[in-house]
Amino acid sequence: DVKVTQSSRYLVKRTGEKVFLECVQDMDHENMFWYRQDPGLGLRLIYFSYDVKMKEKGDIPEGYSVSREKKERFSLILESASTNQTSMYLCASRRTSHEQFFGPGTRLTVL
Amino acid sequence: QKEVEQDPGPLSVPEGAIVSLNCTYSNSAFQYFMWYRQYSRKGPELLMYTYSSGNKEDGRFTAQVDKSSKYISLFIRDSQPSDSATYLCAMSAGNFNKFYFGSGTKLNVKP
Repeated sequence: DVKVTQSSRYLVKRTGEKVFLECVQDMDHENMFWYRQDPGLGLRLIYFSYDVKMKEKGDIPEGYSVSREKKERFSLILESASTNQTSMYLCASRRTSHEQFFGPGTRLTVL
Repeated sequence: QKEVEQDPGPLSVPEGAIVSLNCTYSNSAFQYFMWYRQYSRKGPELLMYTYSSGNKEDGRFTAQVDKSSKYISLFIRDSQPSDSATYLCAMSAGNFNKFYFGSGTKLNVKP
């Protein structure tokens, strides 16, 4: 059974804090993605990675960075959290086909 | 103008009803069309995938693509309370690292 796990289901942080969101997949997939999901806006791509240490910006990379040191792990970093980064964050992975497998999401609240 | 438009609902139907969910899009280059189902507090999971125009059926679900009208539909026959979820459409022009998602339609099937 394929699995994408995310380190936290719920997270509350303060403005200005550095925030790490971790994602791990056990399917040996090359491609991994970070999205944020907001009401009325759907899923928006923040960053994706197509290999270890390789990354590309998505549609809304500002205020975020990523790290992929191992194939199975993709981290999203909020360098200095702001209230407008309060959102649901979804990690996904895929191999060669169109299908993305999503994690359960992390609901981040920035106070 | 958004690339993909989807009515957010909510859509409330009685058990056994036929449900029609729809998305419109503006980019004629889209060729790959997907429907994801997202239960509350879970990540999206792929439900249906269609390439180019036409219909695809899988059990109670039928996906339909009309490229001339830039319109896609998901039909659910004999709807069940377990179908209550948010349904997201997604599409791609062929770059599977870049998907365009609708904002999702929330469906409630009443017993």
